[in-house]
Amino acid sequence: AQSVTQPDIHITVSEGASLELRCNYSYGATPYLFWYVQSPGQGLQLLLKYFSGDTLVQGIKGFEAEFKRSQSSFNLRKPSVHWSDAAEYFCAVGGPEFGNEKLTFGTGTRLTIIP
Amino acid sequence: DTGVSQNPRHKITKRGQNVTFRCDPISEHNRLYWYRQTLGQGPEFLTYFQNEAQLEKSRLLSDRFSAERPKGSFSTLEIQRTEQGDSAMYLCASSLEASSYEQYFGPGTRLTVT
Repeated sequence: AQSVTQPDIHITVSEGASLELRCNYSYGATPYLFWYVQSPGQGLQLLLKYFSGDTLVQGIKGFEAEFKRSQSSFNLRKPSVHWSDAAEYFCAVGGPEFGNEKLTFGTGTRLTIIP
Repeated sequence: DTGVSQNPRHKITKRGQNVTFRCDPISEHNRLYWYRQTLGQGPEFLTYFQNEAQLEKSRLLSDRFSAERPKGSFSTLEIQRTEQGDSAMYLCASSLEASSYEQYFGPGTRLTVT
């Protein structure tokens, strides 16, 4: 079965500092990978996605992620965070291998930004 | 606003009561998904529709839960005889069939069972 691990429950970074959020997945074939962001009381907004091709994908709000098959990872990065980036970030995996359409999410990483 | 909408945004109910939530997907999207998110967890898949057909249900969806999408547009999720363990955020998402893994989420309905 597919699964996602986000090892960091909570990360605090200073405004302007770089950010990396970790995501490891378990999936039999080539996965479809996603990062979503959730602000308090809001639904999830898609930041970026990887289906195939170039392993470095660019998303909205200046985020990027790199797919590394050898490490089963899809880490999210941003070179310089802004106070408005404070939110909960979820990594998700899906794919046609099991013939279903669902996304499987990690437990999330809460990002706090300090001045 | 052409995004996914959900109503109500918040619902407080007493244990044993029935509740119904509504989801209106993005108009051209023929796939609609329901997820449940409990505190400190990521969303968990409950069920999904292609047009009016319900194609998959998670084992999380007990017989107290029923979802419908009668005309292939909006969907309702009903929980009968609510229990305190049903307290959660219920999220709806929609997608085009051709890119079904690219799902767009609504703001959710937060259910509190007292």
